[in-house]
Amino acid sequence: DSGVTQTPKHLITATGQRVTLRCSPRSGDLSVYWYQQSLDQGLQFLIQYYNGEERAKGNILERFSAQQFPDLHSELNLSSLELGDSALYFCASSYTSGRETQYFGPGTRLLVL
Amino acid sequence: AQKITQTQPGMFVQEKEAVTLDCTYDTSDQSYGLFWYKQPSSGEMIFLIYQGSYDEQNATEGRYSLNFQKARKSANLVISASQLGDSAMYFCAMRVRGAQKLVFGQGTRLTINP
Repeated sequence: DSGVTQTPKHLITATGQRVTLRCSPRSGDLSVYWYQQSLDQGLQFLIQYYNGEERAKGNILERFSAQQFPDLHSELNLSSLELGDSALYFCASSYTSGRETQYFGPGTRLLVL
Repeated sequence: AQKITQTQPGMFVQEKEAVTLDCTYDTSDQSYGLFWYKQPSSGEMIFLIYQGSYDEQNATEGRYSLNFQKARKSANLVISASQLGDSAMYFCAMRVRGAQKLVFGQGTRLTINP
């Protein structure tokens, strides 16, 4: 158990809908990272927050947004969902934005029908 | 740009044998970190081992060791005395100094046979 929690574990929804994925980092960690794992793209970095502020952006679609709250939990919002958004979404955390190891949560498996 | 290459899509090994999973990387940065993660069929990503580019010794964590050859830009994972529970996908990843993201390879699926 990495100490990173993600909810829900599974999500099934329809095209055009909007969903919210939730992540709680390890106790004491200030950075949260979001990654998407799909069969065709592999593991791709989406976005990072550090202590409530956006720190880095990767291959995140405009339909996707995220935020980190004062209690350091983070949410990833996916809207206008398409079939291709079906993937495993991971949250990871680390203490700072340095070279520390990123510890991953169990992931949320999203299926868009 | 940084890139990680894992050339072995799948590997089959007998239980108790040692196994080496290959990873080569490409970066022009001098300061970087290399990571290995394990992803069992249940889906979670489990951190295994870390090697810094300036570390003089190869990293070891229990049965896992990292064979770091800087000149060849390789960071192979060695698992000694493999166990059935080692069957999983294994990902090599890199992060360069100043960057926040991990860049992952495509992974190697390791199957341990009894």
